[in-house]
Amino acid sequence: QKEVEQNSGPLSVPEGAIASLNCTYSDRGSQSFFWYRQYSGKSPELIMSIYSNGDKEDGRFTAQLNKASQYVSLLIRDSQPSDSATYLCAAPPMDSSYKLIFGSGTRLLVRP
Amino acid sequence: NAGVMQNPRHLVRRRGQEARLRCSPMKGHSHVYWYRQLPEEGLKFMVYLQKENIIDESGMPKERFSAEFPKEGPSILRIQQVVRGDSAAYFCASSVIPGPKNTDTQYFGPGTRLTVL
Repeated sequence: QKEVEQNSGPLSVPEGAIASLNCTYSDRGSQSFFWYRQYSGKSPELIMSIYSNGDKEDGRFTAQLNKASQYVSLLIRDSQPSDSATYLCAAPPMDSSYKLIFGSGTRLLVRP
Repeated sequence: NAGVMQNPRHLVRRRGQEARLRCSPMKGHSHVYWYRQLPEEGLKFMVYLQKENIIDESGMPKERFSAEFPKEGPSILRIQQVVRGDSAAYFCASSVIPGPKNTDTQYFGPGTRLTVL
């Protein structure tokens, strides 16, 4: 069974710090990876997508992908209290590229 | 440009009743996906539909659940004879092209929160 694994947290960081969120996946055929942010009671919102090994930066967010280790991470620089949410890692399995397999999410708390 | 719309936002049903959840994709999107999120869990894929076609329903429970996306009107997720375990948030997503790609992604609606008493 193809899985996406995340530490449920909560991950607590002080305001201004770097938050590091990690995700591992079991399907070596997965080619694309997505980070969604979900505030309590709200719908998932796409933060970042990454397709190639290495880093991809967008503002305060950096996604990192290592396909050999089947590992993807999200770094949030200068964390703000408004970043407090659950972060969901997702990937489409190789045999069904149109659906997303989600991890259970990591809850991030940014302390003022 | 309106996003994905879902209604109702909250739905309360008693055990044994039927629940109908509606999803209108973003304008120009012809691919619809339904996901379910149980409390404190991630989203689970249920079904993928195009207009008048069910492409993949591998995530749908074998009984009581059905989905459609007619030529005209919204996509409907129907749950017959609801049980307490059906209580969850049901999210619909849509895309221009099939699946998440580097040129497009799935955009999620606000969800319908179903409570079964």
